[in-house]
Amino acid sequence: GENVEQHPSTLSVQEGDSAVIKCTYSDSASNYFPWYKQELGKRPQLIIDIRSNVGEKKDQRIAVTLNKTAKHFSLHITETQPEDSAVYFCAASFYSGGYQKVTFGTGTKLQVIP
Amino acid sequence: IAGITQAPTSQILAAGRRMTLRCTQDMRHNAMYWYRQDLGLGLRLIHYSNTAGTTGKGEVPDGYSVSRANTDDFPLTLASAVPSQTSVYFCASSEMGTHTDTQYFGPGTRLTVL
Repeated sequence: GENVEQHPSTLSVQEGDSAVIKCTYSDSASNYFPWYKQELGKRPQLIIDIRSNVGEKKDQRIAVTLNKTAKHFSLHITETQPEDSAVYFCAASFYSGGYQKVTFGTGTKLQVIP
Repeated sequence: IAGITQAPTSQILAAGRRMTLRCTQDMRHNAMYWYRQDLGLGLRLIHYSNTAGTTGKGEVPDGYSVSRANTDDFPLTLASAVPSQTSVYFCASSEMGTHTDTQYFGPGTRLTVL
């Protein structure tokens, strides 16, 4: 089955600096890669996603890159702000056996220090 | 529009008791999912349903059952709760079958089994 590894597990950055979270996946069938942000005690919320036919996608201060050959994808947050502090999950997804199989990484706790 | 809701918000349960976690969505999504979230393990799929009347097993289905009598509701039942089922449970839904694979999560239910 699919295996998603996420690094680092914790990340501390100064406000205004950039943060990068990296994920690797094992199954070449994965073709959709969402990123979720989860604040303490709240639900995971989609912040950005990328499909396998795209190499990079940006949304304001957030960008995601995908390298299909190497089977890795990354989340980049620029000009970090204290409200970016949360746990971030990557995921790899594809349809298999009649349902959307989503495998999540184990999360990265990002702390932005004011 | 509420989106996706779960009940109860939290529950403390004695081992051996039966418990049903409720999930309702008003987005007319055809696919629904139940995940459990444990520290260090990320989100793991328990059961899923592609459409009303059908269900399937995920990664960690043992000790849980689901039903999907209609599009909106997807309850999760623990027939005889055990302490290892202490976790935060998230319901999610998606519009499977289109190019939109994004899963939207409910607010979660924190369950403690003593």
